[in-house]
Amino acid sequence: DTAVSQTPKYLVTQMGNDKSIKCEQNLGHDTMYWYKQDSKKFLKIMFSYNNKELIINETVPNRFSPKSPDKAHLNLHINSLELGDSAVYFCASSRPGTGIREQYFGPGTRLTVT
Amino acid sequence: RKEVEQDPGPFNVPEGATVAFNCTYSNSASQSFFWYRQDCRKEPKLLMSVYSSGNEDGRFTAQLNRASQYISLLIRDSKLSDSATYLCVVENSGYALNFGKGTSLLVTP
Repeated sequence: DTAVSQTPKYLVTQMGNDKSIKCEQNLGHDTMYWYKQDSKKFLKIMFSYNNKELIINETVPNRFSPKSPDKAHLNLHINSLELGDSAVYFCASSRPGTGIREQYFGPGTRLTVT
Repeated sequence: RKEVEQDPGPFNVPEGATVAFNCTYSNSASQSFFWYRQDCRKEPKLLMSVYSSGNEDGRFTAQLNRASQYISLLIRDSKLSDSATYLCVVENSGYALNFGKGTSLLVTP
């Protein structure tokens, strides 16, 4: 019954590799997000998709490419991984419409680049 | 200047104590305000939204002062289970949330 799920939960890989993280939500939301939480615990928005269209792209290296095949999925592909990419990546989703929109977060993917 | 600023703490309080967290934000056009809670190695979860009139949910009271760009959270009768990091969160346009670095709370027996 998980609302927002991410796979894998842990990812250990070497510098230079390419990896993907998958996210799925079963809440019927149409806006999805990727956040990065670094070693100092600071949580920062990376991307936001609304109805499969990119609406926010913060200053993220173009090695990071989000892909939304449908409203329920937002995957994150990372090329040429670097040590500084080590962090916890959280996917989130929120309902459509105006007004206050709570964001529901996935359990996170802990990425370690060696 | 960071968009959302919080005192990182840690706040160590005994069970039953009242504790208050403060937060300031820099964007006067910010539209929505929240407190999220994050347990160690877990995802953030919404604790409560914050309204201009102030709002209460059980032992938790949130206040917003738009003129001062200031948000607060008051926890009464602290429980051991309240130990967590409390994140002040501001939503600007475009739906993305801007998080403060969080205030760490440890409630001790």
